[in-house]
Amino acid sequence: QQPVQSPQAVILREGEDAVINCSSSKALYSVHWYRQKHGEAPVFLMILLKGGEQKGHEKISASFNEKKQQSSLYLTASQLSYSGTYFCGTPEPPSGTYKYIFGTGTRLKVLA
Amino acid sequence: NAGVTQTPKFRILKIGQSMTLQCAQDMNHNYMYWYRQDPGMGLKLIYYSVGAGITDKGEVPNGYNVSRSTTEDFPLRLELAAPSQTSVYFCASRSSGGPIQETQYFGPGTRLLVL
Repeated sequence: QQPVQSPQAVILREGEDAVINCSSSKALYSVHWYRQKHGEAPVFLMILLKGGEQKGHEKISASFNEKKQQSSLYLTASQLSYSGTYFCGTPEPPSGTYKYIFGTGTRLKVLA
Repeated sequence: NAGVTQTPKFRILKIGQSMTLQCAQDMNHNYMYWYRQDPGMGLKLIYYSVGAGITDKGEVPNGYNVSRSTTEDFPLRLELAAPSQTSVYFCASRSSGGPIQETQYFGPGTRLLVL
């Protein structure tokens, strides 16, 4: 079962902040975040590893809480270029096979 | 490096026709994946491969077939195309190893329209 992301969609003004959540019903050992612009392929943003590590990319950071089986993506002082659909992704299951599943996605629109 | 390449970029098929979507990568990645993305939706795993000669089904394999005769190539075959197969198809690859290596690299996608 794929991770569930919330919110499904969000509209921001330039400079505003947003948080995107990714929740799994199964244990997570690593979480990847991707951004997909309209008509393009998903592009890797960052990886979060077991242990509560927080990573950053430009003004985008993320956290990972393996106990709660969730990860959050924080977009600070959003820019027009942040518009797109954000997906979390994770190996499924954590070990033993090599499948990979993506979350349900969050559409982000940043307005001038 | 070209990364992951896909051909064709766009194709229109008639119901019942067959075609092969090509995917190649030059990063010497062992693992390759095929996803489909319906309009406004997320990515669904069709098939994946962990190396030449080894493939396995994903979430939505019905109506598709794959083969992996070399490390570089992972073609996806559609037999008897149906309107439900109208979608954007993405091929992805990654290297083997730990979590860092699990990052997926995507090709530009193939848009398929079945009429």
